[in-house]
Amino acid sequence: KQEVTQIPAALSVPEGENLVLNCSFTDSAIYNLQWFRQDPGKGLTSLLLIQSSQREQTSGRLNASLDKSSGRSTLYIAASQPGDSATYLCASSGSGNTPLVFGKGTRLSVIA
Amino acid sequence: GAVVSQHPSRVICKSGTSVKIECRSLDFQATTMFWYRQFPKQSLMLMATSNEGSKATYEQGVEKDKFLINHASLTLSTLTVTSAHPEDSSFYICSARPGGASHLNEQFFGPGTRLTVL
Repeated sequence: KQEVTQIPAALSVPEGENLVLNCSFTDSAIYNLQWFRQDPGKGLTSLLLIQSSQREQTSGRLNASLDKSSGRSTLYIAASQPGDSATYLCASSGSGNTPLVFGKGTRLSVIA
Repeated sequence: GAVVSQHPSRVICKSGTSVKIECRSLDFQATTMFWYRQFPKQSLMLMATSNEGSKATYEQGVEKDKFLINHASLTLSTLTVTSAHPEDSSFYICSARPGGASHLNEQFFGPGTRLTVL
């Protein structure tokens, strides 16, 4: 059974700092991996999706990498801003109609 | 990207009543929808997988008679919490996966429904 772990559980950084969020998964036979953002009391916003054949995806200040062999993915946020404060979730997907398996998330606070 | 809506966004009800939550895919057809619940400061817990035109598949420990799921069309799934009790108070989120030749298996999430049972 797939298990997804996110480290750290919480992170506080000053504005402008570059940071890395970590995600690891036990079963490397994934179809893709998604990173989401969740603001308090809100739903999930998809940030990046990396297919199993890809190594990274970029969107603006965000860069997500995927290393299937080691069971790891990272989300890199450049030049962090207070508006980046949220909980970041990673989730792995198998093929077909298998549901996403979520990590517990990293709560990020960017201090102005 | 694809848009998924949920209605209502917030509901407060008395213990013993039933509450229906709707999940709609607005600009795509979703053969599969998923229902999650989330407790404060916890991650999402999958409750069930809903396939259009067939019975939902429930996760272990989720009471199918209490959480009724109907996926009658390719754009609508409903979750009914029957005889709600205070312990059912939670944040319920749905997601939808586009059907057809989608090779990404990407899911799109609704904004969630906050249920409070008094």
